[in-house]
Formats: sequence, structure tokens, C-alpha cells
Amino acid sequence: EVQLVESGGGLVQPGGSLRLSCAASGFTVSSNYMTWVRQAPGKGLEWVSVIYGGGSTYYADSVKGRFTISRHNSKNTLYLQMNSLRAEDTAVYYCARVNEVTDAFDIWGQGTMVTVSS
Amino acid sequence: QSALTQPASVSGSPGQSVTISCTGTSSDVGSYNLVSWYQQHPGKAPKLMISEVSKRPSGVSNRFSGSKSGNTASLTISGLQAEDEADFYCCSYAGSSTFVFGTGTKVTVL
Repeated sequence: EVQLVESGGGLVQPGGSLRLSCAASGFTVSSNYMTWVRQAPGKGLEWVSVIYGGGSTYYADSVKGRFTISRHNSKNTLYLQMNSLRAEDTAVYYCARVNEVTDAFDIWGQGTMVTVSS
Repeated sequence: QSALTQPASVSGSPGQSVTISCTGTSSDVGSYNLVSWYQQHPGKAPKLMISEVSKRPSGVSNRFSGSKSGNTASLTISGLQAEDEADFYCCSYAGSSTFVFGTGTKVTVL
């Protein structure tokens, strides 16, 4: 079964760091484009970052320089390292697979909640 | 990277059709046929409903259809059913390997 399972969310103080994980099954992370999308409480979806099969990475302006997307090929897992966290980063973070042809996000994880608060 | 503009809410009676607009700019929606639509029920992950403006993934009802004209994309739900009540988001490739989502639309079945 094709599936994505996120983990690593939690409560962190402003200025702190957190690393989210997204374990894939049924397909190979390194052969696909993968992305992170977040949703603040009661708000809409916001695109965060993408990593291409070749390893190139891109970010939304709101997280550039603070977040890093990466993957571990042997663990078939996607990561999002989040540093210098702010209250406005509080959100449910979803990982998703990106269809390379359509640029649509065709497989989604269930999400993991990140709360940035003192 | 400004969000695409969607109406906050649309509503319709069972069996009716509703259309959700998604307005962007010539840098995103207007430049690429890479608009997708997602349905999100409360507390759930989004689900892909339409890709490449008008293509339905396998398993998505043919009651959902998409189109685009200029800088505005649209999603139409025909034969509205109770289970269609959800939030809907458009998303467009925005160039330079970035993406932008719409503001979201709540669909209410009266």
C-alpha cells in the first residue's frame, strides 16, 4: 500500500528547533519529488518546500534560510529540519508526493502538529 | 508568493451544481496548465481531485470537473451530494520550482 506517515511534531519554544520525519511505503522517496505543506489552525494550506529526485531543494520565502528539506534513501524517509521557529510556524505539517508530470500532490500523509509557544 | 484567491464559501442544494473560482496572476495560473484541486474534510488530510487543470485521477467521481481561462481556474461539482461538503483548495505551479495554494473555499450542501 502506498502510504506516508509523518512524525516528530510537538511543542517547542520560539527560537527552537524540530525535525519532522515522513516515512514512505509502497514507493521510493528518492525516485520521486516530495514536498511539505502546512496548515495553521483554522487556516488554509501553505506550500513549504520541495525536493526533486536529483536532490535539488526549494523553499517558500516564509521559511527560506530556517527550514531544510532532506531525505534518507535507505530509510525511505523525508525530513524537514526546522530552526529558528516562530509562533507563526505553528501548524499541522503534511508531507506529500509530487507527481513529476502533473506537479500535483497525489499522496498525502496524515499530518503532524507543530506548536511554537513559550 | 501571494495566495490564489478563492471565494470563502459556496453552497448548493443536493443535485445542484456549484463552481469554485481560483484567481491568480500571469506568473502562476495564467502561465502554466499545472493547476490542481484538493478536497479536505475536517481533521483529514487533503485529497487530490483534479490535476493539470482538468484531469481526474483514478477513483475521483466524474461529478468533479476543472477548467481554466486566463488567470482564473475553476472547479465545478455537479450533482452535489452530502459527502461533497468540505473545504476545497486550488494549487498552481508558480515558476522557479515553487507552488502556491488558494485561500480555500468551504462548500456547504444545504
